[in-house]
Amino acid sequence: DTGVSQDPRHKITKRGQNVTFRCDPISEHNRLYWYRQTLGQGPEFLTYFQNEAQLEKSRLLSDRFSAERPKGSFSTLEIQRTEQGDSAMYLCASSLSVVNTEAFFGQGTRLTVV
Amino acid sequence: GESVGLHLPTLSVQEGDNSIINCAYSNSASDYFIWYKQESGKGPQFIIDIRSNMDKRQGQRVTVLLNKTVKHLSLQIAATQPGDSAVYFCAATMAGGTSYGKLTFGQGTILTVHP
Repeated sequence: DTGVSQDPRHKITKRGQNVTFRCDPISEHNRLYWYRQTLGQGPEFLTYFQNEAQLEKSRLLSDRFSAERPKGSFSTLEIQRTEQGDSAMYLCASSLSVVNTEAFFGQGTRLTVV
Repeated sequence: GESVGLHLPTLSVQEGDNSIINCAYSNSASDYFIWYKQESGKGPQFIIDIRSNMDKRQGQRVTVLLNKTVKHLSLQIAATQPGDSAVYFCAATMAGGTSYGKLTFGQGTILTVHP
């Protein structure tokens, strides 16, 4: 499978714990995006990378959230001191760094904070 | 800022009918639009895109229409099938600057196709 891969698919954690998600983009894609989606809503942009550089972060990304893409390939999204409001689907997408080109999404990581 | 909205949250059709899903966007600087299909528990799946220099684009059983004057686009699905049942999102972005590819999504329309 050469699509965008996310791991884990599901994560249940207790409030206050830290969690980390991984995204492996399509291999030739140098742009990588993180989105968050709550039930009944469209995905909301969190942050994106061009190769290893994090170029933009949404105001939704509080200081408890950090994302990295150390070698310009896979990316991780860490949430520290999780809160119940963090419960959502976290989606990763990748694309070429060419304007007007579609982004391909992974299957997402469903986070439930109890 | 950009906001993208949908006129109808749900759409129910009979198998074989044509479906039309509408979407409005607010930022006139948006110049690239994508329709995504999302099935339960899965990530959004690309359906079709359209650039702002076009007003219509056709794919296999799908057509996207763009009206820049009123900032509106629609997705038409011909001969809708039960497998088309899903949530459909439109998304918009701007080609200019470094933020191209950063998508703003609408709320979504739930399409249900009855056999």
